Amino acid sequence: EPEVTQTPSHQVTQMGQEVILHCVPISNHLYFYWYRQILGQKVEFLVSFYNNEISEKSEIFDDQFSVERPDGSNFTLKIRSTKLEDSAMYFCASSPGIPGEQYFGPGTRLTVT
Amino acid sequence: DQQVKQNSPSLSVQEGRISILNCDYTNSMFDYFLWYKKYPAEGPTFLISISSIKDKNEDGRFTVFLNKSAKHLSLHIVPSQPGDSAVYFCAASAYYTGTASKLTFGTGTRLQVTL
Repeated sequence: EPEVTQTPSHQVTQMGQEVILHCVPISNHLYFYWYRQILGQKVEFLVSFYNNEISEKSEIFDDQFSVERPDGSNFTLKIRSTKLEDSAMYFCASSPGIPGEQYFGPGTRLTVT
Repeated sequence: DQQVKQNSPSLSVQEGRISILNCDYTNSMFDYFLWYKKYPAEGPTFLISISSIKDKNEDGRFTVFLNKSAKHLSLHIVPSQPGDSAVYFCAASAYYTGTASKLTFGTGTRLQVTL
């Protein structure tokens, strides 16, 4: 069964450093998303991407964040200058366009020290 | 901003019995509702969804009920099995054709199915 994959599974970085989180969505899906979950809190929407552009972004997704789909398969989230409060699980998701149905990857645990 | 609420942080049910997980929402624009199951250190796994034009959707042991007037939905698992022990998230979406509609999640309910 096709699945969303994410790398790395765990990333440790120092405050102020740039990180890039990688995702390979399910092929033939058209809609892509990033969410995050801070420990003990709920899953929060960051950004959605459709037709090679950002569809919607949350207030969390400030100028330090960017997304790219550099080729036909990868979908990346970049954090330019990480802060301690960026420590969280970051989930990538993709959707074939069936309303509401999104399929999540296993997540990348980002630890900012 | 608590547009989707799960008021029970945990639930314990005996194997073979029914598990009922509840969810309330406040945003009238939501028209699709989903349940996800999550194990530690894994991503949420899609379980079942329901459109706002329906009041019930069933898939095997899982049934979701929607009460639009009360802005309430519930997930029934019958019979409950030990492998169902996980955190269950309710999520909602306002769907617009041609857009990547985001999901708004509740805080989750930890279900423990005991032997």
